[in-house]
Amino acid sequence: DADVTQTPRNRITKTGKRIMLECSQTKGHDRMYWYRQDPGLGLRLIYYSFDVKDINKGEISDGYSVSRQAQAKFSLSLESAIPNQTALYFCATSDQGLGTHNEQFFGPGTRLTVL
Amino acid sequence: GEDVEQSLFLSVREGDSSVINCTYTDSSSTYLYWYKQEPGAGLQLLTYIFSNMDMKQDQRLTVLLNKKDKHLSLRIADTQTGDSAIYFCARGGAAGNKLTFGGGTRVLVKP
Repeated sequence: DADVTQTPRNRITKTGKRIMLECSQTKGHDRMYWYRQDPGLGLRLIYYSFDVKDINKGEISDGYSVSRQAQAKFSLSLESAIPNQTALYFCATSDQGLGTHNEQFFGPGTRLTVL
Repeated sequence: GEDVEQSLFLSVREGDSSVINCTYTDSSSTYLYWYKQEPGAGLQLLTYIFSNMDMKQDQRLTVLLNKKDKHLSLRIADTQTGDSAIYFCARGGAAGNKLTFGGGTRVLVKP
């Protein structure tokens, strides 16, 4: 079984709709992240969480919100989707450990299309 | 992220060496990473280098770091068709482990 799972894997929605993307992990990591990937721009950090109830804005948080109610789950919401939020969304996890290398483990991605 | 830059595309013949280059601007970067993304999949860590090193070798992979020029490269020896993927350079700071990614280099290996 995959350590980091995302649901749904694909979603097509309309402008103005509320969308929630879910991420679950079985790695027991404290830290979780949401990124979006756009061609040529790499991955950009939307939000991250270092522990349950801890929420931090990333580089591009406008138009998004997140919830971290449990260690294993981190959900990303688009309250009112717009077409420029069409992208590939990745969840990632990592262990803690300041001053040491911390590999991030990525889920398979959710492809979101906003019409 | 604008402060990590990579070329968009690299074409290489099977059996040749591939060299993927990356430049970054933040000199406080503590770790530098190379991730690989295969079609339809998430990213997987290939290798990383600590900022006080200038070279790291791991089987077919060689990472070179020039801190003065803020330049990182990944050399893949004896490139195979399974190496066709998008390769992302990323940097991480000492405070926490937020990563900043480059735009990715698509590597196409031709038989």
